Amino acid sequence: SAVISQKPSRDICQRGTSLTIQCQVDSQVTMMFWYRQQPGQSLTLIATANQGSEATYESGFVIDKFPISRPNLTFSTLTVSNMSPEDSSIYLCSLPGLAGNEQFFGPGTRLTVL
Amino acid sequence: GQQLNQSPQSMFIQEGEDVSMNCTSSSIFNTWLWYKQDPGEGPVLLIALYKAGELTSNGRLTAQFGITRKDSFLNISASIPSDVGIYFCAGSYNTDKLIFGTGTRLQVFP
Repeated sequence: SAVISQKPSRDICQRGTSLTIQCQVDSQVTMMFWYRQQPGQSLTLIATANQGSEATYESGFVIDKFPISRPNLTFSTLTVSNMSPEDSSIYLCSLPGLAGNEQFFGPGTRLTVL
Repeated sequence: GQQLNQSPQSMFIQEGEDVSMNCTSSSIFNTWLWYKQDPGEGPVLLIALYKAGELTSNGRLTAQFGITRKDSFLNISASIPSDVGIYFCAGSYNTDKLIFGTGTRLQVFP
């Protein structure tokens, strides 16, 4: 399976600022996913990012708050804009496997907003 | 968003015991996945199920795709300390999007 890395691994930010999270894959993939995992909670899909088109956002998530870039087939960024303490979460990128609907996840970015 | 109901929410067991957890949905799925998440890491895929009634093993882990297509079960036999973590089920139906369960936190005591 592909190797997925995320930067930063963790960060502590002030409210009102923005943070861009990077996801790098060692192979080319058309589709990537971004998830949020709030403290002690399960994973919730933020958006699906296809290279060459705009990301598709799930209900409750908007582009102005979570802009996503997908400049090539091995890289994507998620920005958490105008942060508030409620944005404190683990943000994870994932990509589909070769079979079925399985997905493989990066190590996550742990964000704390003060 | 929609979540799958997973039970139990947490388990505290002794090393060597067997573990069972399950996941239920109000709608049918054609894919069931089981993941394990260790602290500070992303979820790792344990078992993937694609057919109703399918029973699949991965070492000491065994998972089943329920006949109704609305549930799935994960069993861990002869638990060891490294089994500690949070186990998530996830499902999908004719889409790339996964819906995750609420998680089962497993603690194993020596």
